[in-house]
Amino acid sequence: EVQLVESGGGLIKPGGSLRLSCVVSGFTFTNAWMNWVRQAPGKGLEWVGRIKSKIDGGTTDYAAPVKGRFTLSRDDSKSTLYLQMNSLKTEDTAVYFCVTEWFDPWGPGTLVTVSS
Amino acid sequence: DVVMTQSPLSLPVTLGQPASISCRSSQSLVYSDGNIYLNWFHQRPGQSPRRLIYKVSNRDSWVPDRFSGSGSGTDFTLKISRVEAEDVGVYYCMQGTHWPSTFGGGTKVEIK
Repeated sequence: EVQLVESGGGLIKPGGSLRLSCVVSGFTFTNAWMNWVRQAPGKGLEWVGRIKSKIDGGTTDYAAPVKGRFTLSRDDSKSTLYLQMNSLKTEDTAVYFCVTEWFDPWGPGTLVTVSS
Repeated sequence: DVVMTQSPLSLPVTLGQPASISCRSSQSLVYSDGNIYLNWFHQRPGQSPRRLIYKVSNRDSWVPDRFSGSGSGTDFTLKISRVEAEDVGVYYCMQGTHWPSTFGGGTKVEIK
């Protein structure tokens, strides 16, 4: 069974940094392209970024609102995806989900609250 | 970016009655390989989204056959033949044909 579990969220002040993790199991993580998607409280879903598998170049792409502030990375030996978030803004407050390239399944997400 | 427009925003339905949600894209979702990467998701209150339909009309294994997806080009529809209580929540369409992937704004289904 494919499982994804996000962690690392919390309360952080504007301008601060946070690193989210997503541990996956049940499939070959090495070959997977992975995404982060976020959902602000009471709002819809927003794609944040994507990282390709290393064999496909390992390159990253980001949504415009987070480009230059967020960085995706992966540790294939640990089947873990990371999202380094810097210069956080109040509008980054959301539940952050990691998902595969097929957007199925979804983990429980981790809540990031940016507030002074 | 491709804009995904869902309607209606809110859909009150009677148990046992059909329901239909529309999703329109700002450009064709036909990929160079001939596939259309249009997904539908269901999110119950307080839960994570779950994929319901992929590539327009393919139901995921957990999805009852009262759900169906259809469409082509830029117009897509999710239909529920007979709404049950467990179907409440928000439904989202999402395109994966063009980078970046984009979601519709969601349609909230509630029981009258």
